[in-house]
Amino acid sequence: KQEVTQIPAALSVPEGENLVLNCSFTDSAIYNLQWFRQDPGKGLTSLLLIQSSQREQTSGRLNASLDKSSGRSTLYIAASQPGDSATYLCAVNYNFNKFYFGSGTKLNVKP
Amino acid sequence: DAGVTQSPTHLIKTRGQHVTLRCSPISGHKSVSWYQQVLGQGPQFIFQYYEKEERGRGNFPDRFSARQFPNYSSELNVNALLLGDSALYLCASSLVLGYTFGSGTRLTVV
Repeated sequence: KQEVTQIPAALSVPEGENLVLNCSFTDSAIYNLQWFRQDPGKGLTSLLLIQSSQREQTSGRLNASLDKSSGRSTLYIAASQPGDSATYLCAVNYNFNKFYFGSGTKLNVKP
Repeated sequence: DAGVTQSPTHLIKTRGQHVTLRCSPISGHKSVSWYQQVLGQGPQFIFQYYEKEERGRGNFPDRFSARQFPNYSSELNVNALLLGDSALYLCASSLVLGYTFGSGTRLTVV
């Protein structure tokens, strides 16, 4: 059974801090992995997509890494800002069929 | 380009009723998937359609059904609504890699 776990469930940091969100998955035979951001009551906004053959992807202040052998991905946010406050979801895709989502990390960046 | 469009945005239904949710994918996207997100949890996969054929189904009862039309838009139908069906229903479309999600339909069953 494929399971996706995100740690921590919640995180509160002061503005300007660099932070790491963790995602682990039980089955390493993934097709790709995607990180999303979700604001309260809203849909999902795609942040980064990592193919199974890739080790990392970067977009602006965001960097996502993938280690299939250990079943882990991390999302690194540099110089956090209050506007980064949201829930961050990790989604693992095994066969271009469906995503398995973690429960998310709720991030609060304090001014 | 318009993103993934879902309608309605909010809906209140009574137990036992039926509901139809609609999704228009990004132009050119042939794959549409539906997810249910209960408050405080990550989305759960319900269906995937590609080229009007069902390609995957999650662990949901037969009360849930869906279809995809020739223009690639999709409907999710839920019969005999239960209180536990209250959730945010998300539609996602894909061309080749990755998914783009709509803003969702918030369904409240009372």
